[in-house]
Amino acid sequence: GAGVSQSPSNKVTEKGKDVELRCDPISGHTALYWYRQSLGQGLEFLIYFQGNSAPDKSGLPSDRFSAERTGGSVSTLTIQRTQQEDSAVYLCASSLALLTGVTNYGYTFGSGTRLTVV
Amino acid sequence: AQTVTQSQPEMSVQEAETVTLSCTYDTSESDYYLFWYKQPPSRQMILVIRQEAYKQQNATENRFSVNFQKAAKSFSLKISDSQLGDAAMYFCAYRANYGGSQGNLIFGKGTKLSVKP
Repeated sequence: GAGVSQSPSNKVTEKGKDVELRCDPISGHTALYWYRQSLGQGLEFLIYFQGNSAPDKSGLPSDRFSAERTGGSVSTLTIQRTQQEDSAVYLCASSLALLTGVTNYGYTFGSGTRLTVV
Repeated sequence: AQTVTQSQPEMSVQEAETVTLSCTYDTSESDYYLFWYKQPPSRQMILVIRQEAYKQQNATENRFSVNFQKAAKSFSLKISDSQLGDAAMYFCAYRANYGGSQGNLIFGKGTKLSVKP
């Protein structure tokens, strides 16, 4: 697609429910990143994919968080048994490759999913 | 670990005036990139300007320029002739540049810029 698409745009869920957040990167972008932006905070790096592989999952806040990417394209961030502290905006970004984020292609960010846990 | 600090949670500027947003960072690396991103209410992060650490010359993009002081680990953003459309959150970000790097950005907490007509 022309840009990075994230869905849903907004999600309200009850505490304890599972949620899935979707990111559809720019076609051909092999690197994909997930960030979390809590109220009044900067962006916290969660996980990255190179192709379908996520070599380092240590940035995920807890074992309730998981992410996958299939076909080198769409990625899903899943939060199980949601808690109120999970409320945040979840942003996805993609780039042509891991170390080309600073070329003319840069990183392209989606508009995020605002998750509210009530 | 690398960190990015933005000490100004909020700033305000009069339309057509100049404003400078501050950013300091901490790293032991010598090769890296620095960025300023703008985040309007739409939430999408928009690249304003970037600086390669190996370049001494300060980057400039139209009304936006940076003052990069590598020894002091300082990277401020100057916005000249401020416009109403410049009102947004501004984030300073760092990215290491070495073979084992994950390529992810490390962000400061942001500065909310208001522009007064």
